[in-house]
Amino acid sequence: ILNVEQSPQSLHVQEGDSTNFTCSFPSSNFYALHWYRWETAKSPEALFVMTLNGDEKKKGRISATLNTKEGYSYLYIKGSQPEDSATYLCASYTGNQFYFGTGTSLTVIP
Amino acid sequence: DAGVTQSPTHLIKTRGQQVTLRCSPKSGHDTVSWYQQALGQGPQFIFQYYEEEERQRGNFPDRFSGHQFPNYSSELNVNALLLGDSALYLCASAGQGHTDEQYFGPGTRLTVT
Repeated sequence: ILNVEQSPQSLHVQEGDSTNFTCSFPSSNFYALHWYRWETAKSPEALFVMTLNGDEKKKGRISATLNTKEGYSYLYIKGSQPEDSATYLCASYTGNQFYFGTGTSLTVIP
Repeated sequence: DAGVTQSPTHLIKTRGQQVTLRCSPKSGHDTVSWYQQALGQGPQFIFQYYEEEERQRGNFPDRFSGHQFPNYSSELNVNALLLGDSALYLCASAGQGHTDEQYFGPGTRLTVT
């Protein structure tokens, strides 16, 4: 069983603040790293799929980086808005299955 | 496009019973994966179906079985239910590659009493 860890477990920020969280995964047997946003009462929504060391992806105010050699990915949110409140999940794909972390719960306070 | 749909939304079963959960993938997707999310944990991979066959399987007992139909929809069956099977069951569809985004359904909440 692969251990994918996310930190922090939860985070409260003020509207307008920028924030970031971490996903750590074993660097062996790495194929791809997926990030998802999961709002309450909705389905998880794919944010990014990253495969190459040094990858940087951006979608609006959200961006992510990947370091496959040391086994971590950062997710950044610039100028947080209340609608960014959600749980952010990462999942490592090893070639035969996905291993998810337990998520970072973000609350943006207006 | 309806996206990924799952039924039922909620289900209550008794220990020892059997349950069938259903999933229809997003239009154009031929790969369906099932996940179990217990309280306080991340989703855990159960298995993946492609071309009506189980392609990959996670660390779940044989009580968990599945099926994929020619229209790519899928079922998850759980036999001899245990209290520990209470969880949110998520279905996700994707294209064939591991770099394809997975699209998740809203899940089925199973409670075993």
